[in-house]
Amino acid sequence: AQSVTQLGSHVSVSEGALVLLRCNYSSSVPPYLFWYVQYPNQGLQLLLKYTTGATLVKGINGFEAEFKKSETSFHLTKPSAHMSDAAEYFCAVTEHPTGANNLFFGTGTRLTVIP
Amino acid sequence: GAVVSQHPSRVICKSGTSVKIECRSLDFQATTMFWYRQFPKKSLMLMATSNEGSKATYEQGVEKDKFLINHASLTLSTLTVTSAHPEDSSFYICSARDIGGTGAFFGQGTRLTVV
Repeated sequence: AQSVTQLGSHVSVSEGALVLLRCNYSSSVPPYLFWYVQYPNQGLQLLLKYTTGATLVKGINGFEAEFKKSETSFHLTKPSAHMSDAAEYFCAVTEHPTGANNLFFGTGTRLTVIP
Repeated sequence: GAVVSQHPSRVICKSGTSVKIECRSLDFQATTMFWYRQFPKKSLMLMATSNEGSKATYEQGVEKDKFLINHASLTLSTLTVTSAHPEDSSFYICSARDIGGTGAFFGQGTRLTVV
């Protein structure tokens, strides 16, 4: 069975501050992990994904995430928040390396960026 | 590349009527499409998986007679909400998996409001 827990349904940061969105997963098989961003009334856009290899993954818009097996975590970070980063962020896990299978999503974290 | 178009983006219908939502892969062929439902302030929940030319597989608790899915071609899947009720109001998102299984690509979603 696979599941994802996102701690904090809402996160507020000041513009220019560090962004940290938390994600912990549970998986009985090697997990493949994803972060998606959703802007209001839009679909999901892939930010980054971890499949195998390097545990620190860089994505679009300056985001990165680190896969820590010992902590079963895949937290999303960005050194300096921009106003345009305000959105809903979803962590997801799947057993398929490309995500081309059923994705199990967390409940999402809404990021607010304060000017 | 890998563009998925969902139509309509917004629809308002009267209680008791049926609504059809289309999910098209514009520049690739999709053997499998996934239909998700997103409740307010909740995560995306998989409703069903549709495979081209065969019956859809529904997740537990999803009424197959209410949510009719047709995947008649490699580029089009449709979700029909039959006899819609206000509790069916939600955001519906599809994703399409390409033949090579390189990824699952999301549509922009459809906001359904039943009045």
